[in-house]
Amino acid sequence: DTGVSQDPRHKITKRGQNVTFRCDPISEHNRLYWYRQTLGQGPEFLTYFQNEAQLEKSRLLSDRFSAERPKGSFSTLEIQRTEQGDSAMYLCASSPREGVWNGYTFGSGTRLTVV
Amino acid sequence: AQSVTQPDIHITVSEGASLELRCNYSYGATPYLFWYVQSPGQGLQLLLKYFSGDTLVQGIKGFEAEFKRSQSSFNLRKPSVHWSDAAEYFCAVGARNTGNQFYFGTGTSLTVIP
Repeated sequence: DTGVSQDPRHKITKRGQNVTFRCDPISEHNRLYWYRQTLGQGPEFLTYFQNEAQLEKSRLLSDRFSAERPKGSFSTLEIQRTEQGDSAMYLCASSPREGVWNGYTFGSGTRLTVV
Repeated sequence: AQSVTQPDIHITVSEGASLELRCNYSYGATPYLFWYVQSPGQGLQLLLKYFSGDTLVQGIKGFEAEFKRSQSSFNLRKPSVHWSDAAEYFCAVGARNTGNQFYFGTGTSLTVIP
């Protein structure tokens, strides 16, 4: 068990470009979450998957954002036509369905800077 | 609606001194409560959690927290702070809905001076 892995750790992109982030959860965890953390704020929920099904999306997740979890393993978060307001830390977390109240396991995050 | 308030944006303590970080929550039922710690540029690490039962819960790294329903609080404490405790601390409440998402406070930044 190597924990939750996120790639890349840092991404700098120009406004208007598309970016994609990857998250590899703990292998036996069937729930996967994406959160966004802006400077000086706590993480905010974006979306969550149970296996391959995306079961909930926050209103923060505009139509420029799309997340997938093919085969219920790793997940990708894509942001199209990035804006400066998208600059944030994007955190992935996973948990087993039965043990969600033991707390998620978070990855180290991907820091996105849009210039 | 669920929410978490951490009234202290930043706290400075001397190494060896005691620490208390405040957290107040708003939730319509018995909450699931958590404290996480985040070092610069890193993800969040779970310190401790409360579901039910004993209102004083012990966590990792010598931290403890006390749930007080009457005050809607879940304050984090440590009797003697170490320099390595300098970090950002987040309180969170878990929602008992389908997604079991967490609602986080805005965090308290802890500085430890020698």
